[in-house]
Amino acid sequence: NAGVMQNPRHLVRRRGQEARLRCSPMKGHSHVYWYRQLPEEGLKFMVYLQKENIIDESGMPKERFSAEFPKEGPSILRIQQVVRGDSAAYFCASRGPSADTQYFGPGTRLTVL
Amino acid sequence: GNSVTQMEGPVTLSEEAFLTINCTYTATGYPSLFWYVQYPGEGLQLLLKATKADDKGSNKGFEATYRKETTSFHLEKGSVQVSDSAVYFCALSANRDDKIIFGKGTRLHILP
Repeated sequence: NAGVMQNPRHLVRRRGQEARLRCSPMKGHSHVYWYRQLPEEGLKFMVYLQKENIIDESGMPKERFSAEFPKEGPSILRIQQVVRGDSAAYFCASRGPSADTQYFGPGTRLTVL
Repeated sequence: GNSVTQMEGPVTLSEEAFLTINCTYTATGYPSLFWYVQYPGEGLQLLLKATKADDKGSNKGFEATYRKETTSFHLEKGSVQVSDSAVYFCALSANRDDKIIFGKGTRLHILP
């Protein structure tokens, strides 16, 4: 049973470009969470999605960031017009419908030049 | 709001030493408590968890007991190995649907 998959593992963008981060949850998991880890800090919650619905986006920056989890395909975290402060590791986690444990992917490390 | 506080690192120990990493939490109700471990360059792995008071989570020689009276969930291991070198995160979740709130992490170095 494959774990949570994220791609790309490393992403380099110049200021002003767009970054798209993908997350494929574990098989049978319909709940996806995105977290951001700034250098030398813990993870901070960004957004919680179920298929086609955003459940909680209280941790998302108000501008430039968006997330989706379509009926088919992976969840996408999109960052428009990236700035240097967006450089971080972005982790996706998934859980099953009746479970309380989130399983994390390997992360995408975004570097903004 | 809910929060997690854990001891700052880095913590440096010799192999076979006893390990304690302190963690306390603030939360309303009865959260689930977790320890996650992050090895260099990797994502987070669930190490252990406890879902109610007095529960003890254990895995790979690590243990932590959910203490509601002291709002603590300290991580312990009787004899650490070099391969335990990693960053350890204490975390809580208020309910199944909720986000996980993490402590800042404790970096552990084990010397051979």
